[in-house]
Amino acid sequence: GEDVEQSLFLSVREGDSSVINCTYTDSSSTYLYWYKQEPGAGLQLLTYIFSNMDMKQDQRLTVLLNKKDKHLSLRIADTQTGDSAIYFCAERSNSGYALNFGKGTSLLVTP
Amino acid sequence: NAGVTQTPKFQVLKTGQSMTLQCAQDMNHNSMYWYRQDPGMGLRLIYYSASEGTTDKGEVPNGYNVSRLNKREFSLRLESAAPSQTSVYFCASTHLSGMQFFGPGTRLTVL
Repeated sequence: GEDVEQSLFLSVREGDSSVINCTYTDSSSTYLYWYKQEPGAGLQLLTYIFSNMDMKQDQRLTVLLNKKDKHLSLRIADTQTGDSAIYFCAERSNSGYALNFGKGTSLLVTP
Repeated sequence: NAGVTQTPKFQVLKTGQSMTLQCAQDMNHNSMYWYRQDPGMGLRLIYYSASEGTTDKGEVPNGYNVSRLNKREFSLRLESAAPSQTSVYFCASTHLSGMQFFGPGTRLTVL
């Protein structure tokens, strides 16, 4: 399928904001998702955005979508050590049932 | 609601042995999926079932078979395990909105 790309690692200090970026190539994507995976656990749906939206805010999480550039970002405000995890960006196109995942960004939050 | 459940949580097999990974969801979702997760590869779709009675190949189906036993259950079978199938296997189901929910995973080692 189409590629979803993310940077592999991000390190931030506790209390700072984290921004995790994602690019996708399928212009027919209708939904875009962010998942969080803690060590040894499954994937937890964090938030999602429909393709007709530019921004979605949910407590400390802000999702920005630039459809022209096919760029999605997840901003975590006031990052805590409990936010350390792998974050996956995923897209769902009109033509498919399954999600197409990026390889994940490992976020390390240091005290 | 238990959500998506998987059994077993861990399994060690010898090359050539067979086993079935079980998955069940209690959210009345139509679509169910099997993914494998390998380091640096993200999640790759093995098989999916868009609805009860149908199954389709994903990105990496070779060496696997599936059964959609009923609306709740979707099993993944390895007929003759190979070391290349050492991985973490995730089952997921999808709500009509497109949001996908994951089980906790099965960690499989093939010696």
